[in-house]
Amino acid sequence: GAVVSQHPSRVICKSGTSVKIECRSLDFQATTMFWYRQFPKQSLMLMATSNEGSKATYEQGVEKDKFLINHASLTLSTLTVTSAHPEDSSFYICSARLWGNTEAFFGQGTRLTVV
Amino acid sequence: EDKVVQSPLSLVVHEGDTVTLNCSYEVTNFRSLLWYKQEKKAPTFLFMLTSSGIEKKSGRLSSILDKKELSSILNITATQTGDSAIYLCAVVRHFTGNQFYFGTGTSLTVIP
Repeated sequence: GAVVSQHPSRVICKSGTSVKIECRSLDFQATTMFWYRQFPKQSLMLMATSNEGSKATYEQGVEKDKFLINHASLTLSTLTVTSAHPEDSSFYICSARLWGNTEAFFGQGTRLTVV
Repeated sequence: EDKVVQSPLSLVVHEGDTVTLNCSYEVTNFRSLLWYKQEKKAPTFLFMLTSSGIEKKSGRLSSILDKKELSSILNITATQTGDSAIYLCAVVRHFTGNQFYFGTGTSLTVIP
């Protein structure tokens, strides 16, 4: 299957700082990437959908100014958590999809801890 | 409002048991339903179901979709400790950029 690389896998940051998470499709071009958030023992919650070259579409309740998404190329999408707070601590995971293909491929996730 | 619900939320079984996990959905413009297994990190793909009544099988795992009942089941026979994981079902809708809507997940623990 296709490979999606997410970096970093783990990050600890101080309150008030910003953190950038990268999601790369390594062997295919991803027209669409999705960003999810997962709390312990809970399912994945879709945060936003990003399409290459256009603005991301955010799910209801997700602050677009807080979670900045950039999908500048067909192989890279970034999620920046701005002015992070302890309640932003969570597991963030991206997935990428090939055009016309329903199946999505997941990155390994990023464990964010804000102290 | 669209929703995807899985049951049970958690399950503890002994090795060798057979388990059945359920996923029910209420979504508009249903396209397909996918099952994933999540251990510590990224979910790994198990099955994609589009047509009703056709069982998909992979080793000890099998799954089937019932569009009339708006549900799917995932069966695991002869469970092993390595089957311990969270099992997620996701529904894909037409006309939404093929976004995935995940269910609540079922946490399966297999005891030796």
